[in-house]
Amino acid sequence: GDSVTQMEGPVTLSEEAFLTINCTYTATGYPSLFWYVQYPGEGLQLLLKATKADDKGSNKGFEATYRKETTSFHLEKGSVQVSDSAVYFCALHGSSNTGKLIFGQGTTLQVKP
Amino acid sequence: DTAVSQTPKYLVTQMGNDKSIKCEQNLGHDTMYWYKQDSKKFLKIMFSYNNKELIINETVPNRFSPKSPDKAHLNLHINSLELGDSAVYFCASSQDTHGYTFGSGTRLTVV
Repeated sequence: GDSVTQMEGPVTLSEEAFLTINCTYTATGYPSLFWYVQYPGEGLQLLLKATKADDKGSNKGFEATYRKETTSFHLEKGSVQVSDSAVYFCALHGSSNTGKLIFGQGTTLQVKP
Repeated sequence: DTAVSQTPKYLVTQMGNDKSIKCEQNLGHDTMYWYKQDSKKFLKIMFSYNNKELIINETVPNRFSPKSPDKAHLNLHINSLELGDSAVYFCASSQDTHGYTFGSGTRLTVV
């Protein structure tokens, strides 16, 4: 079945460092891919998405490119801030399923001043 | 206005009790979901309703019963609560494949 694998966390960075959180997926067909962010004590918010190969999603300085050849959707940001500290979830919506999102295990990011 | 609202935000209850969590969305979405987030932050779908019709029922104990009185509401009733039910429960809604909108979660603690 469809699945998503994210890099293990926690990831600890200094402010203004470059961020990469790896995400790879397994799915039949052509899934849509998403990154969600969960700030402490809150629900999940959609950060960015891509619906077809080579699409780049971007929002708030974060970017991710849908790479079908490597089945990846890595999240990047050029310069992180303390306010980016959160849990980041990669997710897919498969073309064959009934609307459910399948999530990776989440990666905790801690940014220190 | 909150797009997807859940109540209560916190729920502490004793083993064996029955409790309900309510969810409402004002986005006009056709599909609503319940997800469970465990202590390691892993998210797993429990149920999905589309226009009041159950379309996803993952391997969830039958102590959990969703109810959708209309497409804007999806409530979750849990009978005979167990310690292992302690988690954060998230309601969400979606329209097509444009991504979900999540509620802020209900932290259930069974003691």
